[in-house]
Parts: sequence; C-alpha cells; structure tokens
Amino acid sequence: ETGVTQTPRHLVMGMTNKKSLKCEQHLGHNAMYWYKQSAKKPLELMFVYSLEERVENNSVPSRFSPECPNSSHLFLHLHTLQPEDSALYLCASSLDRATDTQYFGPGTRLTVL
Amino acid sequence: KNEVEQSPQNLTAQEGEFITINCSYSVGISALHWLQQHPGGGIVSLFMLSSGKKKHGRLIATINIQEKHSSLHITASHPRDSAVYICAVGPYNTDKLIFGTGTRLQVFP
Repeated sequence: ETGVTQTPRHLVMGMTNKKSLKCEQHLGHNAMYWYKQSAKKPLELMFVYSLEERVENNSVPSRFSPECPNSSHLFLHLHTLQPEDSALYLCASSLDRATDTQYFGPGTRLTVL
Repeated sequence: KNEVEQSPQNLTAQEGEFITINCSYSVGISALHWLQQHPGGGIVSLFMLSSGKKKHGRLIATINIQEKHSSLHITASHPRDSAVYICAVGPYNTDKLIFGTGTRLQVFP
C-alpha cells in the first residue's frame, strides 16, 4: 500500500464517451502528477499540480482535462478519446518537488475502442 | 535518443544469481531514482541517490556522477524480484523526472 489510490483500475470506453479517472492521496503531499505509460515507451509526464495549482502541462491534447479540487484529490477528465490514448494512466504524489521521492498509485488501464 | 538509457532491456536469471541493471544519462542531475514496477502496474520507489551507494536488503544502488552512470544490483535473486526496473533522473534545470524505458527482469526458480 503506497498511500495513493486510483479508481477505476480498468476502464473501457468508446470514442464518444466522457469518463473521469480519480486519484487520492493522504500522505500530506503538496504535489500530484498524471503520467501516461504506453508499451515500450518511457513514462510520459502529462500534468503537474503543486499546492492545487497546475504548474506543468506537457502539451497534452485538450481531450484530457485535469482537475485538482484540493491537495488530496486529482482527477483526469476524458472526452472524445482516440484508440491511441489506450494506455496505463498513473497518478503519483511527492512532498513538494518532482525530484523528491514520488509515490505512485496502481494505475488505471484504459482501453479506447 | 532518450536522455536516460537502460541496459539490458530484458534480463532472465536463475534464482540465486547476482543481477546488475545499468542506467546511463546525458544531463546534469540533482538525483537519480530507481523504481520497480510489478506486472499489476503499480510502481514503487526503491532508491533516490545523488552520490555513492545505498543498500536496502538484497538491493544495492550505486551512482558515479562524473561518468553519468548508475547500477542497480540484486544479490541472491528470487522469482519475486521479477518486475520492470526503471531508472529516472532529476535534471538540475527542471523540476521533473526523465524516465528510462525500463529493464524487464524475470527470475526463474
């Protein structure tokens, strides 16, 4: 148990659906992250939130929309996704900086049909 | 070319063998991380180091800052060590991690 939870663990959606991924941490961390992990590629940073403010957006398509209502919760809203968006989406948190030890959630395995 | 390169990409071993996984990087860094990812997907941080050597149980991580190289060693490997091991670096000039593609380790009984 790393202290970071993600729901759902698996998600299958059509290209016209709207869904949301949820991440929760109760480690007292100030920074939270969304990563995308595709087969045979390094982890790709998507979004960074520090003290509930977005500080990094790595040129992610607008069909991915993050939300951080408080320091313990992070959402990733999905709409009109493409099949190439199928991947493992990982949430992580760290005390303050990305270079601090990051604690990862178990991930959401997303399949877009 | 990725700024973080790991070798080998895949590794198989017999239980009890000594394992070495290598990581080379091309940027100046403030710290290097070794992470473990089991088949279920979750990632666990094993080490964060900026110099020298760290040991935790059967795992040893070393780093040579001048050579921009780190190694992760597993002594007396066990099937439960089967996982993907990921190296990540924190460059001086940015506040984000750059990840390698990982080394897939399988340890057979």
